[in-house]
Amino acid sequence: EAGVVQSPRYKIIEKKQPVAFWCNPISGHNTLYWYRQNLGQGPELLIRYENEEAVDDSQLPKDRFSAERLKGVDSTLKIQPAELGDSAVYLCASSSRGVGGEQYFGPGTRLTVT
Amino acid sequence: ILNVEQSPQSLHVQEGDSTNFTCSFPSSNFYALHWYRWETAKSPEALFVMTLNGDEKKKGRISATLNTKEGYSYLYIKGSQPEDSATYLCAFIGGFKTIFGAGTRLFVKA
Repeated sequence: EAGVVQSPRYKIIEKKQPVAFWCNPISGHNTLYWYRQNLGQGPELLIRYENEEAVDDSQLPKDRFSAERLKGVDSTLKIQPAELGDSAVYLCASSSRGVGGEQYFGPGTRLTVT
Repeated sequence: ILNVEQSPQSLHVQEGDSTNFTCSFPSSNFYALHWYRWETAKSPEALFVMTLNGDEKKKGRISATLNTKEGYSYLYIKGSQPEDSATYLCAFIGGFKTIFGAGTRLFVKA
């Protein structure tokens, strides 16, 4: 079984530039999560999807962040414009059992904003 | 504000030592508690999903207990090996939220 795929793995951009991350969850997993992880901290939930519906985006900074999940499968997370404080690892995870189910994580995208 | 605390922040042990970590979480609106292991340069991997007060789960040399009434979970590693070196994360799921702790970083020296 293929795992959660994320791309790119690394991204370096200048502040005020846009950036996008892509996630392909495990086939059949209806629940998809985007997390941001800062150094020394645990992953912070940005948004959770059930199929194509965003059911929890309360922690997503909506002034600059946006996300979509195309047809309830792949998902894209975008930042526009990026700020220095956005430098972090962005993790995607998926689950087949809803909010309480075991999560399968991708390798993450390490974003550096200069 | 919901908060999940893990202690200690880091731990250095010798090969063969047994060790344990703590995860403290809100005692209200509990739905589930997850433990994950995150090795350097890899993705976090689930160890345990715990849902019932008094739950005890075991996988090889690793086990976990859960107390939802007082809001804590313990993770135990018996006879630590160098390959156990990783960050161990707990995640509280409750009140429609998923909140991770900052993790306990374990270093096992051969």
